[in-house]
Amino acid sequence: ETGVTQTPRHLVMGMTNKKSLKCEQHLGHNAMYWYKQSAKKPLELMFVYNFKEQTENNSVPSRFSPECPNSSHLFLHLHTLQPEDSALYLCASSQDLDRAGYEQYFGPGTRLTVT
Amino acid sequence: AQSVAQPEDQVNVAEGNPLTVKCTYSVSGNPYLFWYVQYPNRGLQFLLKYITGDNLVKGSYGFEAEFNKSQTSFHLKKPSALVSDSALYFCAVRGPYSGGYQKVTFGTGTKLQVIP
Repeated sequence: ETGVTQTPRHLVMGMTNKKSLKCEQHLGHNAMYWYKQSAKKPLELMFVYNFKEQTENNSVPSRFSPECPNSSHLFLHLHTLQPEDSALYLCASSQDLDRAGYEQYFGPGTRLTVT
Repeated sequence: AQSVAQPEDQVNVAEGNPLTVKCTYSVSGNPYLFWYVQYPNRGLQFLLKYITGDNLVKGSYGFEAEFNKSQTSFHLKKPSALVSDSALYFCAVRGPYSGGYQKVTFGTGTKLQVIP
């Protein structure tokens, strides 16, 4: 295990539902990330938090709303999603953003299906 | 803008044979280069990285990668493939730190199939 956990592992939701994805890291890192992984496409960075502050929003639609209450926890709140939002959502963490050459540690992901 | 290319969607290799998974990159300045592996139903797992120094980098599970600045490549290699190496491999690049957040760009991934 990498020290990054995600719940739930699988989620099926209708387009009118509201749900949340949770990520927790036990590595003492200060930076956390949300990525979207779709088949045959590069990993898409969605959000970046450093010391609880959002430093990157990669033009993500407002139906995705991140929350970072502390450096160990990251949430992704979902509402009125579209079928094309179905994908594997990965959370990752790293020591911080300032250290050169940091590697990221990924959670197992949440497989999201929007019906 | 920085980019990463993994020219092969899939690589097949017989167990015990050497394997190579190719990666080329484009970035301004000196690159930071990474390889990650993803097993089925799992997240990405860090394998190795090149920051500076020796062009041959050794990582987890017997993998290594060679940084070639003139060819802008960072190919992943292993002398003897195992069936358990079968997975999806991602190359990633980040430009030199210049203050603020700098995005890591991932390739599309190469599926490695090791045949018994």
